Amino acid sequence: DTGVSQDPRHKITKRGQNVTFRCDPISEHNRLYWYRQTLGQGPEFLTYFQNEAQLEKSRLLSDRFSAERPKGSFSTLEIQRTEQGDSAMYLCASSLAWTSYEQYFGPGTRLTVT
Amino acid sequence: GNSVTQMEGPVTLSEEAFLTINCTYTATGYPSLFWYVQYPGEGLQLLLKATKADDKGSNKGFEATYRKETTSFHLEKGSVQVSDSAVYFCALSHYGGATNKLIFGTGTLLAVQP
Repeated sequence: DTGVSQDPRHKITKRGQNVTFRCDPISEHNRLYWYRQTLGQGPEFLTYFQNEAQLEKSRLLSDRFSAERPKGSFSTLEIQRTEQGDSAMYLCASSLAWTSYEQYFGPGTRLTVT
Repeated sequence: GNSVTQMEGPVTLSEEAFLTINCTYTATGYPSLFWYVQYPGEGLQLLLKATKADDKGSNKGFEATYRKETTSFHLEKGSVQVSDSAVYFCALSHYGGATNKLIFGTGTLLAVQP
């Protein structure tokens, strides 16, 4: 068990560019979550997958954000036309459905939009 | 809506001091309650949990008791160490709900001095 991994760990981009982040959950986990954490705040829920199905999206997830989980394994989060307000730490977590109160977090991807 | 409020930091203590970090919540129904810890440069780790009223979660010398009458889940440790220096997040979720998404407080930075 190698834990949840995220790539890249850091991303600096210019305003208006598109970025894509990847999350690899723990292999047997069927639930996958994305959260966003800004400086001095706790993580905020963005979206959730059970297997390949995206079952809930937060109002925080504007139309510029899209997430996928093809084949129910890894997930990608894409932000189009980035804005400075998108600068944050993007966290991925995974869990098993029947013990889903135990979410295991990855190290996060820190996005800086200049 | 559901929310978590925790005491602001930073909390600065000397080694072997007693620690309390206050956490209160607002939620419908019967949420599960958690404390997560984030060490410098690392991802969030589940520290302890409690899934029903009067449950006591404990791990690594830390304890918290789910108090429904006061809607609280205060974190305590009898004797802190320098290695406990981290950011601590209180969180809730509705286990058995559709997503089990976590709702976090803003975090409390703990700094333990030798």
